Amino acid sequence: GNSVTQMEGPVTLSEEAFLTINCTYTATGYPSLFWYVQYPGEGLQLLLKATKADDKGSNKGFEATYRKETTSFHLEKGSVQVSDSAVYFCALVVTGGGNKLTFGTGTQLKVEL
Amino acid sequence: EAGVTQFPSHSVIEKGQTVTLRCDPISGHDNLYWYRRVMGKEIKFLLHFVKESKQDESGMPNNRFLAERTGGTYSTLKVQPAELEDSGVYFCASSQDVTGTRYTFGSGTRLTVV
Repeated sequence: GNSVTQMEGPVTLSEEAFLTINCTYTATGYPSLFWYVQYPGEGLQLLLKATKADDKGSNKGFEATYRKETTSFHLEKGSVQVSDSAVYFCALVVTGGGNKLTFGTGTQLKVEL
Repeated sequence: EAGVTQFPSHSVIEKGQTVTLRCDPISGHDNLYWYRRVMGKEIKFLLHFVKESKQDESGMPNNRFLAERTGGTYSTLKVQPAELEDSGVYFCASSQDVTGTRYTFGSGTRLTVV
């Protein structure tokens, strides 16, 4: 089956620190990979995605590269802000497999001044 | 365009009671999905509608959960009778894209069963 493993949280960083949230996956078939974010009191929002190997998704200063050889999709940001405090979910979908998303457990990020 | 709307945003009910969650997808989106996140765990798929038909309900936990999508528009998810382990956040998403890469999620319903 499909599964996503992401690093346990919570992660607490100071503003302007470098962020990495690790994500690895297993999939039957060729997955598309996603990072979703849930800000306090809000719903899930797509942060970035990559649909094939070596693609880099990027948005709002966040980046993640689809690494097929290591089955990974780690999220990075060079300088976090307090407003980045949220829960981050790594996810995948295998097209043709019903298009249902498989999520990781989520990583809570707290950025402090 | 209006987004995916879910209500209520919060619901607190007693064990054994019935609760109905509603999801209004983006107009014209044939695909509607329900997901659930139980406290601190991963978000799990519950079921998938294509228009009014259940395409995949493999994630429904048991027969206390009933989902409907009459007329292929809004959807309801009823839990009857509710148990403590049903507490969590229920997300709805809709999509018109057949690749599964363009979902729009609602803000979720936080259900607490006491």
